[in-house]
Amino acid sequence: DIQMTQSPSTLSASVGDRVAITCRASQSISSWLAWYQQKPGKAPKLLIYKASTLQTGVPSRFSGSGSGTDFTLTISSLQPDDSAVYYCQQYDRYSTFGRGTRVEIK
Amino acid sequence: EVHLFASGGGLVQPGGSLRLTCVASGFTFSTYPMGWVRQAPGKGLEWVSGIRPTAGSTYYADSVKGRFTISRDNSKDTLYLQMNSLRAEDTAIYYCVKSSTVTDINAAFDSWGQGTMVTVSS
Repeated sequence: DIQMTQSPSTLSASVGDRVAITCRASQSISSWLAWYQQKPGKAPKLLIYKASTLQTGVPSRFSGSGSGTDFTLTISSLQPDDSAVYYCQQYDRYSTFGRGTRVEIK
Repeated sequence: EVHLFASGGGLVQPGGSLRLTCVASGFTFSTYPMGWVRQAPGKGLEWVSGIRPTAGSTYYADSVKGRFTISRDNSKDTLYLQMNSLRAEDTAIYYCVKSSTVTDINAAFDSWGQGTMVTVSS
């Protein structure tokens, strides 16, 4: 099974800050990686797929990069509405999620 | 607009069974792979199962293999998850998910249902 290691587990930053979340796969997954945002009591929402393709309707302050085993989700200017838990997902072979990163606004 | 409505959750005793149902609308259901993802209370996401559009191929996480069965009825735009031999560790919100592509069972999930809660407890 492909394992996904996400870091940090919690991140606290101020409005306007640039923040980054990393995800590492236990083996190469090419670019078969997605990022999701989940707010309390809601279903996850797809932000980015194929490592760097922005889903329709997602603000451009979100971006993704990486390939192989190392990936990054970047929020260029953190907004109050970005407070949520973020998950990475590999879909190279079936599907595995990272354990999540909680983003808090200072 | 895509809409996925899951139902069928509830309280069940260990060893019991439950059948989840997900009714889809807003897209051509018969052409997309579908699946189930679960989330235990306060925990992360776990992929459970997936099924190809024509239901010829099904896939399961090791944690549910042999106990859960995924199926679909394309004439009714409906996805199912039959859960048998339920355990306490199966307690979770179960989300119905739609693949983002018609071409591959391995894909990002671009639409999620609202989830249905399954509680396994005596």
